[in-house]
Amino acid sequence: NAGVMQNPRHLVRRRGQEARLRCSPMKGHSHVYWYRQLPEEGLKFMVYLQKENIIDESGMPKERFSAEFPKEGPSILRIQQVVRGDSAAYFCASSPGLAGAVYEQYFGPGTRLTVT
Amino acid sequence: GQQVMQIPQYQHVQEGEDFTTYCNSSTTLSNIQWYKQRPGGHPVFLIQLVKSGEVKKQKRLTFQFGEAKKNSSLHITATQTTDVGTYFCAGRAGSARQLTFGSGTQLTVLP
Repeated sequence: NAGVMQNPRHLVRRRGQEARLRCSPMKGHSHVYWYRQLPEEGLKFMVYLQKENIIDESGMPKERFSAEFPKEGPSILRIQQVVRGDSAAYFCASSPGLAGAVYEQYFGPGTRLTVT
Repeated sequence: GQQVMQIPQYQHVQEGEDFTTYCNSSTTLSNIQWYKQRPGGHPVFLIQLVKSGEVKKQKRLTFQFGEAKKNSSLHITATQTTDVGTYFCAGRAGSARQLTFGSGTQLTVLP
């Protein structure tokens, strides 16, 4: 059973470009979470999605960031017009139900975004 | 909003010494989970605690959930170099739809 998959693992973008991060949850999981982690820091919640629905985006910056989890295909975290401050590791996690209720989260390997 | 704080931020121990990290929430938690992240890796689930005062053990690791369900601790007995990494607690308060992660404790074990 494949785990959570994220790609690319490393992404380099120039300031002003767009970054697209992909996450395929574990088989059978319908809940996806995105987190951002700066070096030497903790995990900051960004957004929680179920298929075709954004459930909680309270951690997402209001501008330039968007996320989706379509009926078919992976979840996408999109960052438009990237700035140097967007450089971070972005982790996706999935669970079969609401994480922290009964279920734990399974994390992907992360995408390390570097903005030059 | 809910805040989860962890102390210490960093801990260096000699191999064989014990280690404890503490997690405190500003609000009462439904449950608490612990994760470990190795350097350069991703968080991996360790355990979940649900009941007030609950204690669980995994080999050399002991997890506690406070009576008021607002704090938790992870204790490692006789640390080994394989214990190196950052330990995060994560809690969910009431009807919250997401977990709030603590800032983590980065453990270094010196051989």
